[in-house]
Amino acid sequence: GEDVEQSLFLSVREGDSSVINCTYTDSSSTYLYWYKQEPGAGLQLLTYIFSNMDMKQDQRLTVLLNKKDKHLSLRIADTQTGDSAIYFCAESPYNQGGKLIFGQGTELSVKP
Amino acid sequence: GAGVSQTPSNKVTEKGKYVELRCDPISGHTALYWYRQSLGQGPEFLIYFQGTGAADDSGLPNDRFFAVRPEGSVSTLKIQRTERGDSAVYLCASSLDRVAPEAFFGQGTRLTVV
Repeated sequence: GEDVEQSLFLSVREGDSSVINCTYTDSSSTYLYWYKQEPGAGLQLLTYIFSNMDMKQDQRLTVLLNKKDKHLSLRIADTQTGDSAIYFCAESPYNQGGKLIFGQGTELSVKP
Repeated sequence: GAGVSQTPSNKVTEKGKYVELRCDPISGHTALYWYRQSLGQGPEFLIYFQGTGAADDSGLPNDRFFAVRPEGSVSTLKIQRTERGDSAVYLCASSLDRVAPEAFFGQGTRLTVV
């Protein structure tokens, strides 16, 4: 079945780069996503990548996809205290109507 | 509206009672999804609608859970005979259609069963 795994915590200093990693099991996934959740808030779509791409850059965010290893990463350049949140990786299995399978989330703590 | 709207934002109910949670998707979005997020976990899929019909309800945990979308816009998630284990944040999302890659989430309804 589908499964998405993430490490639970990451702590970085302000101004450093953060790299959040994710592995998934469904090789047929169409899209892979990164969502951000701040305390008490809903999920904010940060970025997504189509499964036939290996990299996508959007301002401070870089997504890398290694389809062979089923590994997805999110790099945040020049991390700010406002980036402190929980980051969820998600996959969209092929032909399942946009349903998302989420990981447990990685809590990013940015220290000044 | 500008985004996905969920009401109420918080609901406290007694064990055994019936509750309804409402979701107003982004105008024009034909696909609507319900997820449940327990403390410290990622959201888990419950059900999705394409238009008025439930296209996939495989995530509903048991027959106490039911959802409707009678006019293809607003959806209601209904939980009968609530149990303490139903306590969670219930999230709704919508997308332009079932193949559109971008799904937008509401703020969620925090359900507490006491």
